[in-house]
Amino acid sequence: QEQLVESGGDVVQPGGSLRVSCAASGFSFSTYGMHWVRQAPGKGLEWVAFIWHDGSHEYYADSVKGRFTVSRDNSKNTLYLQMNSLRADDTAVYYCAKDWRPLTWTNWFDPWGQGTLVTVSS
Amino acid sequence: EIVMTQSPATLSVSPGERATLSCRASQSVGTTLAWYQQKRGQAPRLLIYGVSARATGIPSRFSGSGSGTEFTLTISSLQSEDFAVYYCQQYNKWPITFGQGTRLEIK
Repeated sequence: QEQLVESGGDVVQPGGSLRVSCAASGFSFSTYGMHWVRQAPGKGLEWVAFIWHDGSHEYYADSVKGRFTVSRDNSKNTLYLQMNSLRADDTAVYYCAKDWRPLTWTNWFDPWGQGTLVTVSS
Repeated sequence: EIVMTQSPATLSVSPGERATLSCRASQSVGTTLAWYQQKRGQAPRLLIYGVSARATGIPSRFSGSGSGTEFTLTISSLQSEDFAVYYCQQYNKWPITFGQGTRLEIK
């Protein structure tokens, strides 16, 4: 079945950098757009970024634009989120999620990974 | 950006009864609306897309309706496993935005 497994979450100091990963299996990864969505502790969901199936287009939330970069390696079935200039309000569980339809975007998400916790604190 | 507002923040309903959750958009999103369920400690799960289409494996007691700016998720005859937090999401325009969630709790 389709599965997404995030990794790389850690405790990082303000101003620091971190890269989180999402390993995909059970579907043709190279044909689906992929999203990152985050959830601060005890809070709601915030969409973060989207990358086209071939990596040719990216979209970002204003809150992370210029600091975060989404990328993918289709040969490794892996999605990445490079986070720079981290701030305390970036503390959250980061979920990767697959777009619903291949070779285009629908912008609804199914399935989601289990998430990886990023904590920004000194 | 399009602001999504859900009401109520918390809804208390008895098992077997019907629950009605509301979601309002700050501007029209047509029919580009999805609903997700999140249980404690778990990732969200897609329930509904395109306002009313149920995702694979979602029971028929879940139904969605609405268009434009007003949307409703109805859960008929609540089961114990339905008590969770529910989020609406618009995908009409970037950035994609979610409502703040409605917590459905056992009365």
